[in-house]
Amino acid sequence: NAGVMQNPRHLVRRRGQEARLRCSPMKGHSHVYWYRQLPEEGLKFMVYLQKENIIDESGMPKERFSAEFPKEGPSILRIQQVVRGDSAAYFCASSPGSDQPQHFGDGTRLSIL
Amino acid sequence: RKEVEQDPGPFNVPEGATVAFNCTYSNSASQSFFWYRQDCRKEPKLLMSVYSSGNEDGRFTAQLNRASQYISLLIRDSKLSDSATYLCVYLNAGNMLTFGGGTRLMVKP
Repeated sequence: NAGVMQNPRHLVRRRGQEARLRCSPMKGHSHVYWYRQLPEEGLKFMVYLQKENIIDESGMPKERFSAEFPKEGPSILRIQQVVRGDSAAYFCASSPGSDQPQHFGDGTRLSIL
Repeated sequence: RKEVEQDPGPFNVPEGATVAFNCTYSNSASQSFFWYRQDCRKEPKLLMSVYSSGNEDGRFTAQLNRASQYISLLIRDSKLSDSATYLCVYLNAGNMLTFGGGTRLMVKP
C-alpha cells in the first residue's frame, strides 16, 4: 500500500524558470495539502485541494504560485519565474477525509541557482 | 505571538532517560492535536494524536489541557532512534495543520 508519492525528490532550477512538483495521494485519499518548509523554519500550510477543487489557498503567495488536483492524475504545485527565496522543501500530505490525520510524502527539495 | 510555541532545544539526554516536551497554542478554536516527528531533511511522520483524556502508545504518552491551551509529550526509556525533531501540531476548522517550530531531541549513548 504505497504512501504519498512525490516527485521529483530534488529539483534544481535557475532564476526565472518554472518548477512543477507532483504529488499522488495515498490510495483512497481524496484530500491533498501542500506545505512548505523554508531552511531552518517550521512547515507552513500553502493550499488544500480535493479532486478538481481548491478548498483553501490562503497560504499561497499571491503571485507565481498555483496548484491543481485534476480528476485524473496527480496534484501539481506550479511555481512560475522562480526566485532564490523559493528554495525550500515542499511537502504534500493526504487524508481520507476532513479532520483526519494527514500523512506526508517524502517532499521535493527545490533549489534555485 | 506564534500560533504554536515550542522550546527549540536541543534536549540532550542519555539513553534510558525520561524526557518531556511541552507546547502552547494560541487558537482556542483548534480542534485536533498531534505530535509528529521529523528526522533531518525527511518528511514529518505522525507519532500520535493527542486527547484531553491523555493517551499512551508504548513509551510515549501525550496529554492535552484545553483550559491552559497546553500539550505535552513524555518519552520514557529513550532510545538512540528517538533522536529527531518533535513537532507539536493542531488541525483547525479549515482542515489545515499548523506546526510549531519543533523541539530537537538528541539521545546519547
